Amino acid sequence: DGGITQSPKYLFRKEGQNVTLSCEQNLNHDAMYWYRQDPGQGLRLIYYSQIVNDFQKGDIAEGYSVSREKKESFPLTVTSAQKNPTAFYLCASMGDREPNQPQHFGDGTRLSIL
Amino acid sequence: SQKIEQNSEALNIQEGKTATLTCNYTNYSPAYLQWYRQDPGRGPVFLLLIRENEKEKRKERLKVTFDTTLKQSLFHITASQPADSATYLCAEYRGGNKLVFGAGTILRVKS
Repeated sequence: DGGITQSPKYLFRKEGQNVTLSCEQNLNHDAMYWYRQDPGQGLRLIYYSQIVNDFQKGDIAEGYSVSREKKESFPLTVTSAQKNPTAFYLCASMGDREPNQPQHFGDGTRLSIL
Repeated sequence: SQKIEQNSEALNIQEGKTATLTCNYTNYSPAYLQWYRQDPGRGPVFLLLIRENEKEKRKERLKVTFDTTLKQSLFHITASQPADSATYLCAEYRGGNKLVFGAGTILRVKS
């Protein structure tokens, strides 16, 4: 089945540690997105990429980094500079460049602090 | 960025009734809205989208309406079932292939 795979499902971070969340898609989509979801808040955009080797900051990029070396993959690194990383992280993709196309989501990674 | 407002309180309804959820969006033009369903611990799943020049969109038991004067979209689930219990997210297209999401409304359908 085509879709988005996020791993791991649960991740624990120690103080001062960088951790990387994986996002892979086999939908042949150009655009990919990373969101953060906190209780009672909407999804907030961290980074997005509309094409390989290019990405842009979203609304809350500080303390995060990404890469887009392959169309299928868009990993997110939560760095030690992100002081409040505990959240549910969602990766999404979108295939068509026409406006208002739906996004396809993975099932998320829940990150907690040890 | 300007927020999308959804009912912050959970909506509890009896099975078989119609559930109506509200989304108040911004002045961004052209206006496009999308609705998603999210189950606990899962990613959102796309349900319906509606464009500014459309008053209403339907899909099976789902209906979305769009009032550009009030800048409001209503999402209806008719003949609701316990399996419809979930969080429903409204999202507004903001250009550049980006969406802005509301916080979502929790729907609980009791049998």
